[in-house]
Amino acid sequence: NAGVTQTPKFQVLKTGQSMTLQCAQDMNHNSMYWYRQDPGMGLRLIYYSASEGTTDKGEVPNGYNVSRLNKREFSLRLESAAPSQTSVYFCASSSVAGADTQYFGPGTRLTVL
Amino acid sequence: AQSVTQLDSHVSVSEGTPVLLRCNYSSSYSPSLFWYVQHPNKGLQLLLKYTSAATLVKGINGFEAEFKKSETSFHLTKPSAHMSDAAEYFCVVSATSGTYKYIFGTGTRLKVLA
Repeated sequence: NAGVTQTPKFQVLKTGQSMTLQCAQDMNHNSMYWYRQDPGMGLRLIYYSASEGTTDKGEVPNGYNVSRLNKREFSLRLESAAPSQTSVYFCASSSVAGADTQYFGPGTRLTVL
Repeated sequence: AQSVTQLDSHVSVSEGTPVLLRCNYSSSYSPSLFWYVQHPNKGLQLLLKYTSAATLVKGINGFEAEFKKSETSFHLTKPSAHMSDAAEYFCVVSATSGTYKYIFGTGTRLKVLA
C-alpha cells in the first residue's frame, strides 16, 4: 500500500516549456487535490476533483490544467511554464470531499528558469 | 468565510521542555480542524484532527490539541520536545458543510535545541 505517489520528484523547465505532473493513489479514494507550496504561504489549492469525472478550480488555477484520468490518477499540466510557477507541488486524496482527512504525496519540486 | 492564523512563524524550545504552537481559526460553519507536520523535504503527515467529538484531541508522537470554541483556538501542545520534532507544522480548517476546502495556515517552524 503506497498511499499517494507523485512523479517526478524534481524537474527543471525553461520558460515556455510544458510538462505534466502525475499523481496516483491506491486507497480507493474518491477525491483528489493539487496544491502548491511557496515559502511563508502554506499550501494553496490549485484544482481538485471531488469524484471521478469532475474537476473544479481552487484558489490559484491560472496557468494549470488537470485531468482525472480514472479513480486512481489525477494529473496536473503546465502548458507554458513561467518562473512564477517555481514551487513544490503536492497531490492529496481523501475518501470524500469535505471535512475529511487528506493524505499527501511526497511532492514534486519544480524550478522554472 | 474560513480562515486560519498561526500566531508564530518560528518557535524554538530546548529538548525536554514543553511545546506550544498556536492556531486561531474563523469559520461560518462547524469546523473540522487538523494539524499536519512536514519534515524537511517530505510530504505532510497528519498529526491529529478534531471533528466535533471530544474537545481534547490526542495525536501521534505525544502531541495533543484542545478545541476552544469560545476562543476560536486549536493550539498544539506536547509535554516534552524531542529532537525529532523539529519540523514545520500546519494548522488546517475545513468546514463540515458548505465547502470542501482545506484552508492552511502559513506554518510554524519548530526548532528543538539540544
